[in-house]
Order: sequence, then C-alpha cells, then structure tokens
Amino acid sequence: AQTVTQSQPEMSVQEAETVTLSCTYDTSESDYYLFWYKQPPSRQMILVIRQEAYKQQNATENRFSVNFQKAAKSFSLKISDSQLGDAAMYFCAKYNFNKFYFGSGTKLNVKP
Amino acid sequence: ETGVTQSPTHLIKTRGQQVTLRCSSQSGHNTVSWYQQALGQGPQFIFQYYREEENGRGNFPPRFSGLQFPNYSSELNVNALELDDSALYLCASSSDSYNEQFFGPGTRLTVL
Repeated sequence: AQTVTQSQPEMSVQEAETVTLSCTYDTSESDYYLFWYKQPPSRQMILVIRQEAYKQQNATENRFSVNFQKAAKSFSLKISDSQLGDAAMYFCAKYNFNKFYFGSGTKLNVKP
Repeated sequence: ETGVTQSPTHLIKTRGQQVTLRCSSQSGHNTVSWYQQALGQGPQFIFQYYREEENGRGNFPPRFSGLQFPNYSSELNVNALELDDSALYLCASSSDSYNEQFFGPGTRLTVL
C-alpha cells in the first residue's frame, strides 16, 4: 500500500523553540520524492522542503530541516527557532509512479 | 510572474448535476495536478496532466475527468455529483511531474 502517515494530529511549540513533526510512509520502490507542505489558515499551500530518496544527505532550508531515514521509511521535519508565522497545517507527501500521496496533516500551534 | 489561479472560488450544486472547475497554471509550467481536500483531511490526488496528456491518476471513479489545453491551463469535470464530492478542490502546477508544486487557492464545492 502506498500510504503516508502523520501520527501527530496537533502539536504545540513555544516561540523560538524547536519542534519535530513525524511522518512515515510505505513504498516498495527505491526511487521517489518526499515533500513537506505548509497550509496556513485560509491561505494557499506552499512547499517547505523537498527530498529526493536517492540522496543520502538530509535537505535543509533555512530554519527547516528533515531527518530522512530511508530504511525506516521515516521523514520527519524539524523547525528551529519557531516563529508565530509557522503556525499552520503541515502535510507530508510522497511522489512516485506519477502519483502523489499526502498524509492527514499535523496542526502546528506556536505559542508567544 | 502570475501564480496559479482557480475559478470559481465557490460553487453550489445539487446531487446528480455536473460541474467544471478551471485552473490556470503558473507561467512556464507544463504539469498540472488536481486534488480533492475534504474538511480536516489531507489532499487526495485525483490526476495529473503533463503536456496535455493524463500522466497519473489516483483512486477516483471515471466520472472525474480532466483536460489540459495547449497553454497548459486545465479543467476538472465531475459528472453525476454526489454529496461526498463536497470538498475543496486544489490545482497545482509545476515545471515537471515531480518538481515543486505551486498550489492555487482552491474551489470550494458544495453539493446539496
């Protein structure tokens, strides 16, 4: 089965602190792409970070980084120095065989 | 550079009717994907068009169909509407099938 699982429906973090969002997935292939998308309230979904499965190095984009564990089929997102603007729904997604699979999302609350 | 736009913003239909949703892709993008996002859930992949051909399809029945035009804009058609079709329909464009997707604001469809 090609599924993406986000086991944390909601999380909270204090402003300026670090939070990690979890994601696991199923696949029988070695070549695929993984993504984290952010969907702010009533706003458009935007890409946070992207990882090619053939790359061993974890992707990093400013305060956002991933921990990609290919053997464990795990793809967690770490947000450092959390800001109020990080509050949103975060979706983990996988692409292979010309199909996208999204998780159910994690709602991130940021406390001032 | 114009972003991804979708029309209409909101739509109300009755069960059994047909609906057409439209998406204009971002300049330079040749790939469009469509998603259905029910309230409180992650996006479900409907299908993807690459250079006017359907490139991949999720687990949606044939009454969900689409088109992509030479300018890479796209339509999603849904026939014989059911109550469960009520959702936010998202369109996303990209420069290739696995690259970063740029999402539109969505069309909110309500089926009564």
